[in-house]
Amino acid sequence: DAGVIQSPRHEVTEMGQEVTLRCKPISGHNSLFWYRQTMMRGLELLIYFNNNVPIDDSGMPEDRFSAKMPNASFSTLKIQPSEPRDSAVYFCASSFGTSGGETQYFGPGTRLLVL
Amino acid sequence: RKEVEQDPGPFNVPEGATVAFNCTYSNSASQSFFWYRQDCRKEPKLLMSVYSSGNEDGRFTAQLNRASQYISLLIRDSKLSDSATYLCVVDDSNYQLIWGAGTKLIIKP
Repeated sequence: DAGVIQSPRHEVTEMGQEVTLRCKPISGHNSLFWYRQTMMRGLELLIYFNNNVPIDDSGMPEDRFSAKMPNASFSTLKIQPSEPRDSAVYFCASSFGTSGGETQYFGPGTRLLVL
Repeated sequence: RKEVEQDPGPFNVPEGATVAFNCTYSNSASQSFFWYRQDCRKEPKLLMSVYSSGNEDGRFTAQLNRASQYISLLIRDSKLSDSATYLCVVDDSNYQLIWGAGTKLIIKP
């Protein structure tokens, strides 16, 4: 079975450019999470969708970040304009359930470097 | 105070030894507890859920102590392949999982 799919796996861009990260959750899962991981701050939840609806985006750093989930099989995280401090690994994870305490399955991540 | 706290390590352990580490959490209403494993430059993967009665999976044993609000992970007969970062994860009783910063384990031959 296919796990969570993320693209691109690596992204190098220049400051000021728009970056779009993509995620396909596991089929049948109804919750989707975007995380950011850095050495300094560890794993941080950015936003959580349940049944394609954003439930909590309080972890989104600022207005430069936006996320969408137009359907149950696709989500995007966009950074516009990007800044060097956005350099991190961005993970997408999915789970099935509504309590929030379910096992989350992670994609391989997108390694973003903003120069 | 952080909601989920772990000793960052690294724990340097000889192959074949037993190693244990704990994780403390602050929300007494938490109901779900997990240990995830993350290899270098890889995504976190579920190692095991932690149940109230404690649970064992091969060489791995997880325990929950609700009174003191901590969970533990014990690894017996450690293997080189056990080298990884172990992430403690606790639900915040409000749909989110709160992640610890991880404990780095290095198994040496």
